[in-house]
Amino acid sequence: DQQVKQNSPSLSVQEGRISILNCDYTNSMFDYFLWYKKYPAEGPTFLISISSIKDKNEDGRFTVFLNKSAKHLSLHIVPSQPGDSAVYFCAASARYSGAGSYQLTFGKGTKLSVIP
Amino acid sequence: IAGITQAPTSQILAAGRRMTLRCTQDMRHNAMYWYRQDLGLGLRLIHYSNTAGTTGKGEVPDGYSVSRANTDDFPLTLASAVPSQTSVYFCASSWSGMADTQYFGPGTRLTVL
Repeated sequence: DQQVKQNSPSLSVQEGRISILNCDYTNSMFDYFLWYKKYPAEGPTFLISISSIKDKNEDGRFTVFLNKSAKHLSLHIVPSQPGDSAVYFCAASARYSGAGSYQLTFGKGTKLSVIP
Repeated sequence: IAGITQAPTSQILAAGRRMTLRCTQDMRHNAMYWYRQDLGLGLRLIHYSNTAGTTGKGEVPDGYSVSRANTDDFPLTLASAVPSQTSVYFCASSWSGMADTQYFGPGTRLTVL
């Protein structure tokens, strides 16, 4: 049972436009969400996070939105740049719920291609 | 060094052989993790350690063992490698085991023939 789902394996966006990457989760105990970016032949790097007490978190060109009722989060990149081309992983944990789950559960990733 | 190092970078291994993947961090993080990344399956947790001297099983622990003798090192051992263990292995660490942001190493690409 996949608890974190990234239903789009790939996404192509024109440079300068907005990239929207989506992530859905099924475990209602999840209360902390992260996005990681991964280039080929490198380890994933942390991009941005959000806790369930917020519905939006911004960091420069990157914004994460959380819709708890829909169990959905999205990562917006504006404007998209060719250097943003990478695989993006959504991850979730039950950090504050007391469920004892210190583990991150990752989605399968979405490959973003930003076309110059 | 600053961050996490993994060795070897890549390895081709005959089935049945024993192999240890090394991971070292210099950030004094308490928690460390091992993941495998397979095409179409994302990152799956193999084993973790919340602090030196303790370890735990993740989602896919079978065929793997770990030890955490000190804060900095977290080796992953395949006692008798099988072809299904062909994968890219990532080590990660975080300040604590409470799902703080995890920082990843560059990975080890392992091929078991």
